[in-house]
Amino acid sequence: DAGVTQSPTHLIKTRGQQVTLRCSPKSGHDTVSWYQQALGQGPQFIFQYYEEEERQRGNFPDRFSGHQFPNYSSELNVNALLLGDSALYLCASSLWVSNQPQHFGDGTRLSIL
Amino acid sequence: EDQVTQSPEALRLQEGESSSLNCSYTVSGLRGLFWYRQDPGKGPEFLFTLYSAGEEKEKERLKATLTKKESFLHITAPKPEDSATYLCAVHLNDYKLSFGAGTTVTVRA
Repeated sequence: DAGVTQSPTHLIKTRGQQVTLRCSPKSGHDTVSWYQQALGQGPQFIFQYYEEEERQRGNFPDRFSGHQFPNYSSELNVNALLLGDSALYLCASSLWVSNQPQHFGDGTRLSIL
Repeated sequence: EDQVTQSPEALRLQEGESSSLNCSYTVSGLRGLFWYRQDPGKGPEFLFTLYSAGEEKEKERLKATLTKKESFLHITAPKPEDSATYLCAVHLNDYKLSFGAGTTVTVRA
C-alpha cells in the first residue's frame, strides 16, 4: 500500500520564477493538505483540498495556489518566488471531515537562489 | 489566538536515561492532539492520537498522555534509534493541523 508520494524531491529556483510541486495521496484518502516547513520550525498549514476545491487556507499570500485532480492527486504552485520561500514543502493526506491522523510524504526541498 | 508550544527545544540523553517532552496548547475547539516523529530530510511519521483528557497511548518505549492544557511524551530507556525531532500538533474545529516547533532528541550510546 503506497503512502503519500511527492515529486520532485529537490528543486532549485531563482527569485521571480514559479514552481509546481506534486503530490499523490495515500490510497483511500480523498483530502490533501499542504504545509511549509522552514528549517528548525514546525510545519505551517498552507491550504487543504477536497473534491477539487480549496476548503481551508492558512496565512499565506495569493502567490501560493493549488489544484486537486479527480484522482485526488494535488499540485502546489508558487509564483514570483522569494528567497523566504526556501523550505521543505510537505503534502499530507487524510479522509475529509475525519479526526483520523494525516499522513505525510517526505516533502520537496525547495531552494531559492 | 491558538498556540502550540513545545519544550524543551532540544534534549540530549544518555542511552537508558528516561525523560519527558512537553506540549502545551491554548486552543478552542480541540478535536484531537497528535504526536509525530520526524527524521532529518523526511516527512513527519504518525505516532499517536489523543482525544480526551486522561487518555494514554503507548508504543514500544514511547507513552503519550493528555490533560486539558498539555500533553507529555515520555521516552522510557531510550536507544540511539529514538533520536529524532518529535512534533506535537492539534486538530482544530476547521480540521487544520497546528504544529509546535518540535523537540529534537539526541540519544547517545
